Amino acid sequence: NAGVTQTPKFQVLKTGQSMTLQCAQDMNHNSMYWYRQDPGMGLRLIYYSASEGTTDKGEVPNGYNVSRLNKREFSLRLESAAPSQTSVYFCASRESGGDSYEQYFGPGTRLTVT
Amino acid sequence: AQKITQTQPGMFVQEKEAVTLDCTYDTSDPSYGLFWYKQPSSGEMIFLIYQGSYDQQNATEGRYSLNFQKARKSANLVISASQLGDSAMYFCAAVRGTYKYIFGTGTRLKVLA
Repeated sequence: NAGVTQTPKFQVLKTGQSMTLQCAQDMNHNSMYWYRQDPGMGLRLIYYSASEGTTDKGEVPNGYNVSRLNKREFSLRLESAAPSQTSVYFCASRESGGDSYEQYFGPGTRLTVT
Repeated sequence: AQKITQTQPGMFVQEKEAVTLDCTYDTSDPSYGLFWYKQPSSGEMIFLIYQGSYDQQNATEGRYSLNFQKARKSANLVISASQLGDSAMYFCAAVRGTYKYIFGTGTRLKVLA
């Protein structure tokens, strides 16, 4: 099992460029999440998907879109990147139902917008 | 507003001693979960321990225990017998409802030899 994988690991964009961060999990989890981590800020939830076919906004959704392509994959798109979106992006997944609230995280994508 | 507060930006502990990392939370939800994650310098997020708001006993996982005081809205992490490999950033987090997770700003722990 690879767990949660993210591509790319690093990316540099110019202001105004677009890109999609990819995330996939092989644990058959229903829910998936995108976070950003800024220095001194902890992780903040951007969007989440409770199940295939559904997505919802988190704490900081502005400037982002997401797609839950299938049960395995959840992508995050920056349509017009801004320097304020320079951050480390983490994808996570979790089983739904039962008492398990543990999230499994990917290794992160370090994004720099110049 | 829902919030997790970690008031210790940095902590030092001597190897083999115990250390407590503080966390207070603010939620109006009757049901919630509390977590601690470890983030070493390599950057990955490692799950340590979970406590449900209705759990009567404090959660323990090996050298980690969560000191849950519901009335005080605190969920402190206790690491016993600290090891050099415990040096990392530690995040307290909560889940509101089923899906909305919030994280604190973290505490950087340095274990001294």
